[in-house]
Amino acid sequence: DIQMTQSPSTLSASIGDRVTITCRASQSISNWLAWYQQKPGKAPNLLISKASTLESGVPSRFSGSGSGTEFTLTISSLQPDDFATYYCQQYNSLFTFGPGTKVDIK
Amino acid sequence: EVQLVESGGGLVQPGRSLRLSCAASGFIFDDYGMHWVRQAPGKGLEWVSGISWNSGSIGYADSVKGRFTISRDNAKNSLYLQMHSLRAEDTALYYCAKNTMDILTGEFDYWGQGTLVTVSS
Repeated sequence: DIQMTQSPSTLSASIGDRVTITCRASQSISNWLAWYQQKPGKAPNLLISKASTLESGVPSRFSGSGSGTEFTLTISSLQPDDFATYYCQQYNSLFTFGPGTKVDIK
Repeated sequence: EVQLVESGGGLVQPGRSLRLSCAASGFIFDDYGMHWVRQAPGKGLEWVSGISWNSGSIGYADSVKGRFTISRDNAKNSLYLQMHSLRAEDTALYYCAKNTMDILTGEFDYWGQGTLVTVSS
């Protein structure tokens, strides 16, 4: 089974900050990686597919990169609506979510 | 508008069974794979099970294999999860999610609001 890790588990940041979240896979998953945003009491929302493809309607301040085993989600300038928990997910071999990274207000 | 509406959750004793349903609308149901994802209170997301468009490919997380069965009825635009031998650790909000592809891979682009399953005596 493929295991996913994320770092940090919690990130405190201010409006306007550049934020980077790292996701690592226990084995190569090529670019079969998605990123989701989840706000309290809500279902997750797909942000990025295939490691770097921004979904329709997602602000361009979000970007994804990486391949193989190491991936990053970057928010170029943090906005109030971005305080949430972010999950990576691999779909190279069935499906596994990372443990999540909570972005909160500094 | 894509809609996924889960139902069937509730309080159930350990060792008992429960069947969840997901009613889909707003898209051609039998063009896409479908999944169940759960989230224990205050915890992260866990993929539970997925099924391809024609039920030809099915997958389960190790934590539920042998106890849960996923199925779909394309004529009724519905997804199901039959859960047996429930344990306290199965307590979670269960989401139904639509795949971006017809086979058992791809991202999950639409999610329901979830149905809560509580396993407790």
